[in-house]
Amino acid sequence: DAGVTQSPTHLIKTRGQQVTLRCSPKSGHDTVSWYQQALGQGPQFIFQYYEEEERQRGNFPDRFSGHQFPNYSSELNVNALLLGDSALYLCASSLEFGGEEAFFGQGTRLTVV
Amino acid sequence: GQNIDQPTEMTATEGAIVQINCTYQTSGFNGLFWYQQHAGEAPTFLSYNVLDGLEEKGRFSSFLSRSKGYSYLLLKELQMKDSASYLCAVRSFSGGYNKLIFGAGTRLAVHP
Repeated sequence: DAGVTQSPTHLIKTRGQQVTLRCSPKSGHDTVSWYQQALGQGPQFIFQYYEEEERQRGNFPDRFSGHQFPNYSSELNVNALLLGDSALYLCASSLEFGGEEAFFGQGTRLTVV
Repeated sequence: GQNIDQPTEMTATEGAIVQINCTYQTSGFNGLFWYQQHAGEAPTFLSYNVLDGLEEKGRFSSFLSRSKGYSYLLLKELQMKDSASYLCAVRSFSGGYNKLIFGAGTRLAVHP
């Protein structure tokens, strides 16, 4: 049973560029949440997708957007990259009804130079 | 507002016991989770508490007091591989949905 998979694992971008990160949830999971984790900090909630709709959003600007596909996989897009966007981006999948913990992918390490 | 506090760093000796505390102030409390995260890796689930009391899973135990907004993670018979960050996370129910809110994490260093 494949867990949560994210791609790519590492990425280097230049300020002002755009980036797309991808996530495939654990088999059977229907809810995907995205987190940003700066070095030495805990994960910060970006947004959550269920049934292809964004239904919760953390304190992140509109430069951060996302999408969920019918197969429950998800993308995170960040426009106009800033140096401060350098972080580990984590995807977590869970069940909307039933189940307890969220399962995390290995993350995408984004470096903006 | 939502606030989760845990110590930044702790050190302990191999074979010993360590307790990592977490206090929280959140709305819509719907469970508390502990995750372990090794450097550069994904958080992995350790424990879940939704009712008051102690949950035990092998060398790891977690305690919750909802009235005090307090939890702790107890690690027994420490091993070198337990050196990692430990994240306290509260599941908050708001607007009809759940989301996880994380503390900054506690970096535990286990020494021989």
